[in-house]
Amino acid sequence: AQKVTQAQTEISVVEKEDVTLDCVYETRDTTYYLFWYKQPPSGELVFLIRRNSFDEQNEISGRYSWNFQKSTSSFNFTITASQVVDSAVYFCALRRNNQGGKLIFGQGTELSVKP
Amino acid sequence: ETGVTQTPRHLVMGMTNKKSLKCEQHLGHNAMYWYKQSAKKPLELMFVYNFKEQTENNSVPSRFSPECPNSSHLFLHLHTLQPEDSALYLCASSLQLAGALTDTQYFGPGTRLTVL
Repeated sequence: AQKVTQAQTEISVVEKEDVTLDCVYETRDTTYYLFWYKQPPSGELVFLIRRNSFDEQNEISGRYSWNFQKSTSSFNFTITASQVVDSAVYFCALRRNNQGGKLIFGQGTELSVKP
Repeated sequence: ETGVTQTPRHLVMGMTNKKSLKCEQHLGHNAMYWYKQSAKKPLELMFVYNFKEQTENNSVPSRFSPECPNSSHLFLHLHTLQPEDSALYLCASSLQLAGALTDTQYFGPGTRLTVL
């Protein structure tokens, strides 16, 4: 079965703290893609990153970084020096190869960054 | 700005009404999608279109009827809905044919639907 689990339903931090959002996935496929999306209160899902199953290099983009660990089936997302504008719901998603574009989403983690 | 627009942003309708949701993408993409996001549930894929052809219907009730007249426009026609259909309906598009390995979906802002 294909599944994405985001165990943290809600996280609250104070501005400038670092925060890590966890994502654990299940798949038997050898080829797949993992995604992170951000959903601010406006509702639109904003694409953050796509990572294929053969690329385990960690990635950094400004204050955002992603840690892909195939051995533990995890794709965690860290925000460094969080800001109030980072407040949103963050979704991790899995897409299998040749599955008609279907994204399997986790439940989402609601991040609240307080000033 | 992701280049995917949806109208209306908010819609309230009775169970006997007929309404339509509209999605337009300005990205030159070839595939379009409808998703449903209910409170406390993961996003659910409803329909997928490739080059105007429907390629996936994820067991969606017939009271939801999609239409894709061209690669840039996608509609969701609604009739005789139920209160449990109240949700955020999100449209997405992607450059590649749905299912291609490098496919990335870009989402619109959604239509918040309330069925009374």
